[in-house]
Amino acid sequence: AQSVTQLDSQVPVFEEAPVELRCNYSSSVSVYLFWYVQYPNQGLQLLLKYLSGSTLVKGINGFEAEFNKSQTSFHLRKPSVHISDTAEYFCAVSEVDSSYKLIFGSGTRLLVRP
Amino acid sequence: GAGVSQTPSNKVTEKGKYVELRCDPISGHTALYWYRQSLGQGPEFLIYFQGTGAADDSGLPNDRFFAVRPEGSVSTLKIQRTERGDSAVYLCASSRGDGGAFFGQGTRLTVV
Repeated sequence: AQSVTQLDSQVPVFEEAPVELRCNYSSSVSVYLFWYVQYPNQGLQLLLKYLSGSTLVKGINGFEAEFNKSQTSFHLRKPSVHISDTAEYFCAVSEVDSSYKLIFGSGTRLLVRP
Repeated sequence: GAGVSQTPSNKVTEKGKYVELRCDPISGHTALYWYRQSLGQGPEFLIYFQGTGAADDSGLPNDRFFAVRPEGSVSTLKIQRTERGDSAVYLCASSRGDGGAFFGQGTRLTVV
């Protein structure tokens, strides 16, 4: 079975500062990895995904993530955040060839302050 | 519409009642998923449809929960004899099968 750990429940950061949201996973088989964002009163939106190939994945809104198989991590980064990035961010994992059924972490709330 | 549509957006029901939650996926998406999200937690998988059939229902918590997708498009999640512990946001997602699932805004179910 897979599991996802997002160690930080909340990350406060000042506008224009860089940010890293941490995600670690556990799985005995190969996985796909995803980051979703949930803005207030909105549905989940896919930020980026790693299926295969380059371990550095670029997504929407200037976000990127790097798959590190040896450390079983998929941390999300942005070099300069905006107020509008304030939202809940969820890391998720899916077992390869499992129909993309997602196992989510508990989420990290990114709070961008002016 | 362009996105995944879920109705109703909010549902309040009394303990013991039956409820139905509807999901209208993006046109042409063959894969459909239901998740449940409790306060302060990430979504939990309930059931996955490929076409009309339930390919994986391992996340349904008990036999009070059931879902259908009779024509391979709209899906209905049905909950019998609701309990207060069923209160949550129920999310539906659809996909072409390429790993990019699109989520609806969810139905907030409150059992009183």
